[in-house]
Amino acid sequence: GAGVSQSPSNKVTEKGKDVELRCDPISGHTALYWYRQSLGQGLEFLIYFQGNSAPDKSGLPSDRFSAERTGGSVSTLTIQRTQQEDSAVYLCASSQTGGGYTFGSGTRLTVV
Amino acid sequence: GQNIDQPTEMTATEGAIVQINCTYQTSGFNGLFWYQQHAGEAPTFLSYNVLDGLEEKGRFSSFLSRSKGYSYLLLKELQMKDSASYLCAVRDPNTNAGKSTFGDGTTLTVKP
Repeated sequence: GAGVSQSPSNKVTEKGKDVELRCDPISGHTALYWYRQSLGQGLEFLIYFQGNSAPDKSGLPSDRFSAERTGGSVSTLTIQRTQQEDSAVYLCASSQTGGGYTFGSGTRLTVV
Repeated sequence: GQNIDQPTEMTATEGAIVQINCTYQTSGFNGLFWYQQHAGEAPTFLSYNVLDGLEEKGRFSSFLSRSKGYSYLLLKELQMKDSASYLCAVRDPNTNAGKSTFGDGTTLTVKP
């Protein structure tokens, strides 16, 4: 597609429920990244996919977080048993190898 | 790990020039990015430096000194729409591609 598409744009969920966030990167971009941003804070790295290589999961804050990328394209970030501290904007980005990121508009997650 | 420092806030006047500094401490270096983020929106790519010197792109320029671990973003002929957060990001030197660590951002307010 023309840009990075994320869905849903907003998600309100009850504490303890699971959520899935979707990212559709720019066609042809080999790298895909997930970051999160809490209000007024910087971007916190979560996970990174590069081509067919094993993903870099070093930023995932706990084992409640997981992500996959199917067919080298669409990615899903799953948060199990959500907690209030998971509330943030989750940003997906894609890039050509080594290039600058193109970000999606993000998913604003609110855990109540 | 990587440590990135930027001023938290800056204020400047419409039509003026402003310089936003970024210092970093890393075990290696593989490129530095600047992004612009308007409130409530996703970051957008501004510039990329991997060699020492100044890269100019219209009203925006970015400078890098690898020996000093220092970069700055220079904004000329400031406009009200330049009010935004400016994020410095350093690419992970230990990967072959694009995972980056972001600073917390500098919030620039442009006043009439």
